[in-house]
Amino acid sequence: GQNIDQPTEMTATEGAIVQINCTYQTSGFNGLFWYQQHAGEAPTFLSYNVLDGLEEKGRFSSFLSRSKGYSYLLLKELQMKDSASYLCAVKIGGQNFVFGPGTRLSVLP
Amino acid sequence: DTAVSQTPKYLVTQMGNDKSIKCEQNLGHDTMYWYKQDSKKFLKIMFSYNNKELIINETVPNRFSPKSPDKAHLNLHINSLELGDSAVYFCASSQDRARDRGGNEQFFGPGTRLTVL
Repeated sequence: GQNIDQPTEMTATEGAIVQINCTYQTSGFNGLFWYQQHAGEAPTFLSYNVLDGLEEKGRFSSFLSRSKGYSYLLLKELQMKDSASYLCAVKIGGQNFVFGPGTRLSVLP
Repeated sequence: DTAVSQTPKYLVTQMGNDKSIKCEQNLGHDTMYWYKQDSKKFLKIMFSYNNKELIINETVPNRFSPKSPDKAHLNLHINSLELGDSAVYFCASSQDRARDRGGNEQFFGPGTRLTVL
């Protein structure tokens, strides 16, 4: 079976740094994606990792360890608009993706 | 100039009816997808189409049938609607790329909220 775990909810303060973890156990691995989804809206792509290490894109960074089945999304200099759900997704082969349950992040002033 | 569009945005219907949701992408992407997001916000893949070929059909009831008239369109037809079909349905598309060239992130449509009464 396919299993992806993420914390259900997290809270952080404006201007702070938050790390959202994702662990996965899947039958295949062809890349890991992070998406942001605001309430009532569509998911939007944030980052992609296929090799071990850190990928940085502005205020957002994502890390992958394939041997540990682990990834995290790091958000720096948090802003109120970062309040959203963050979805971890694994491409398990071909055009097949498995999404995690999502982490709902609340940014407080 | 919307990248991925879906119609309708809201769909309210009675149990047992047949309905369709349309999706179009103007990004020139090779692959299109349908996802279902339930009340717990779990996003599950239903189908993907690449060059008009069905690639995946995750344990979806055969009441659901994807139809792709061309590479830019992937419609979802649902027969004999049931209460459990109530959810938000997202269409998405992606461009095939080698995994070492950025993978193939998906672009999602705005979603169709289906309510079955």
